[in-house]
Amino acid sequence: EAGVTQFPSHSVIEKGQTVTLRCDPISGHDNLYWYRRVMGKEIKFLLHFVKESKQDESGMPNNRFLAERTGGTYSTLKVQPAELEDSGVYFCASSSNRGGSEQYFGPGTRLTVT
Amino acid sequence: GENVEQHPSTLSVQEGDSAVIKCTYSDSASNYFPWYKQELGKRPQLIIDIRSNVGEKKDQRIAVTLNKTAKHFSLHITETQPEDSAVYFCAAMGSSNYKLTFGKGTLLTVNP
Repeated sequence: EAGVTQFPSHSVIEKGQTVTLRCDPISGHDNLYWYRRVMGKEIKFLLHFVKESKQDESGMPNNRFLAERTGGTYSTLKVQPAELEDSGVYFCASSSNRGGSEQYFGPGTRLTVT
Repeated sequence: GENVEQHPSTLSVQEGDSAVIKCTYSDSASNYFPWYKQELGKRPQLIIDIRSNVGEKKDQRIAVTLNKTAKHFSLHITETQPEDSAVYFCAAMGSSNYKLTFGKGTLLTVNP
């Protein structure tokens, strides 16, 4: 079974530009999460999808971040316009539809905003 | 909201020794506590987890203990090996949501 995949693995953009990150969850997993780790700090929750619906987006930092999961399969996270403080590693995770079940992480996208 | 504290931030041990990493949480409603291992450049990998109705769980050389009254849980690695070197994260999840709140991580180095 393929794990969670993310694309790209690295992205370097200039302040003010737009970047779109993609996550493909484990097949059949209804729950998809986005997390972010800023250098030296903890991994922080951004949002949670159940199928195509946003269940919890309490961790989204501001309206420059837009997450979508059209069709309930893969998800994208767009940052527009990017700021320096957006730099970090963005992780995606997925879990099955059982409550409180294990979350499996992708390898992350390292975003550097210069 | 939930807050998870993790100690120590770095831990260096000799091969064969034991390693213990401790975490405390603030929300008494939290009921699921996973531990992730992240090797350099790789994804966080779930290595063991425990639910609030259990006090201890073991899987070969790793074990996790949970004290609900004190709101703390610990990861124990016995007979450490160089391949155990990684950053370890603890996390907590509340009963009413699926959000994981993480500790800041512990860099474990096992010296041969």
